[in-house]
Amino acid sequence: ETTLTQSPAFMSATPGDKVNISCKASQDIDDDMNWYQQKPGEAAIFIIQEATTLVPGIPPRFSGSGYGTDFTLTINNIESEDAAYYFCQQHDNFPLTFGQGTKVEIK
Amino acid sequence: QLQLQESGPGLVKPSETLSLICTVSGGSISSTSYYWSWIRQPPGKGLEWIGSMYYSGNTYYNPSLKSRVTISVDTSRNQFSLKLSSVTAADTAVYSCARLVSLAAAGRGWFDPWGQGTLVTVSS
Repeated sequence: ETTLTQSPAFMSATPGDKVNISCKASQDIDDDMNWYQQKPGEAAIFIIQEATTLVPGIPPRFSGSGYGTDFTLTINNIESEDAAYYFCQQHDNFPLTFGQGTKVEIK
Repeated sequence: QLQLQESGPGLVKPSETLSLICTVSGGSISSTSYYWSWIRQPPGKGLEWIGSMYYSGNTYYNPSLKSRVTISVDTSRNQFSLKLSSVTAADTAVYSCARLVSLAAAGRGWFDPWGQGTLVTVSS
């Protein structure tokens, strides 16, 4: 089973900041990493496909990078509407697994 | 636009079977390349994939839950369901349904879209 270690668990940012969220896999998963955003009471939204591909309709301030075991979700010029819970997910092997998540607060 | 909505009891007694339905609207559950999935998140913990099923019957389960889980698809109603038997307090969680997009490797891919999720509490 691939364990995904996500950090930080919580972060507070100011509008306009650049935010980086890390997700480290316990074994090599190529680029089989996806990222999601979830706001309280709402359905999760798929934002980054296979490590680096921005899902259509997602603002370009979101980007993903990484390969193998180290992955990063970056939010440039963060906006108040980006306050949410973000989590990673791998699909390289079974069982499909998720990171523990990062809660992003906007000051 | 495809939408998914979970429904079912919010309270289940210990040792009983948790049953949830996910209704799919805006698209057919019989579409190729998609697996219909359940995911849960216990309070204060991370997400856990429960399992995924193709409309024709091919199914993948998380080994940690496999002995207690059944996912089934009803193509006539455009719904799929989750049954989790012999529940305990540890099964208290928000349960979400989602479509798994599987383009390359069967049963593996990304979840899009998701349902809003429904809280199921296991308590007597």
